[in-house]
Amino acid sequence: AQSVTQLGSHVSVSEGALVLLRCNYSSSVPPYLFWYVQYPNQGLQLLLKYTSAATLVKGINGFEAEFKKSETSFHLTKPSAHMSDAAEYFCAVTLGQAGTALIFGKGTTLSVSS
Amino acid sequence: EAGVAQSPRYKIIEKRQSVAFWCNPISGHATLYWYQQILGQGPKLLIQFQNNGVVDDSQLPKDRFSAERLKGVDSTLKIQPAKLEDSAVYLCASSFGSSYNSPLHFGNGTRLTVT
Repeated sequence: AQSVTQLGSHVSVSEGALVLLRCNYSSSVPPYLFWYVQYPNQGLQLLLKYTSAATLVKGINGFEAEFKKSETSFHLTKPSAHMSDAAEYFCAVTLGQAGTALIFGKGTTLSVSS
Repeated sequence: EAGVAQSPRYKIIEKRQSVAFWCNPISGHATLYWYQQILGQGPKLLIQFQNNGVVDDSQLPKDRFSAERLKGVDSTLKIQPAKLEDSAVYLCASSFGSSYNSPLHFGNGTRLTVT
C-alpha cells in the first residue's frame, strides 16, 4: 500500500526566504505524486504533480518539487516566500491505475512573516 | 467553468442524529470522491464513484455512513446515527478521469460539528 509522510506540521519562514516543505513516500510501484494547497476558507487546489516524466516539476506560483527515487522524497520548494503563500500544503500519492484515489499526508501549515 | 458545489457549508447536530451532505460535481466529470478531513489530519477517502458505480468504499463506515450518486451526477453522503468522532470537514471532489491523470477539483467542504 502506498502512503506519504510530511515532516513538520508547521513551518515558519520570513518573507523572501526559501520555502522547503518535506514529503516522503512509500510505494511498492512507481508512484504518481502531487502537492495540493489549501488557502483559508477555500477548497484544495492542485499545485503540481509528478507523473514519471521530468523529475523536477514546476507548479503554479513559483513552486517546484523534485522527485528523488533514491531518497523516496518529493519535497516542495520556493526560492522566495511571499505573504500570500501562507496556507496548508498537502502531499499526496496515487498509483498509475484506473480507479485508485489520492492518499494524502497530514499536511504542513506554512506561515510567512514580514 | 463552475466549480464543485457543496451544501450546507456548516452543520451542527447532536450525537445520534442524522445528517446529509450534498455535492454537485463539475459538469462532465465522471469520477466523484468524498473525503473526510479531521482537524489536524489530511483528507481521508471515504468513497469513490465512477459515474454512478462505486469504485472504492473500503474506508466507509458502512454501519452509519451511506452515499449514493444518482444518474452519475449529484451525490449525497449521509451519516445515521452521528457520533462525536464524526466531527470533521467533509470534502467532495471530482475529476474528469482517474486521479493519476486528471486533477481533482475540490469543493469548499461541509464542516460538521457533532455535540
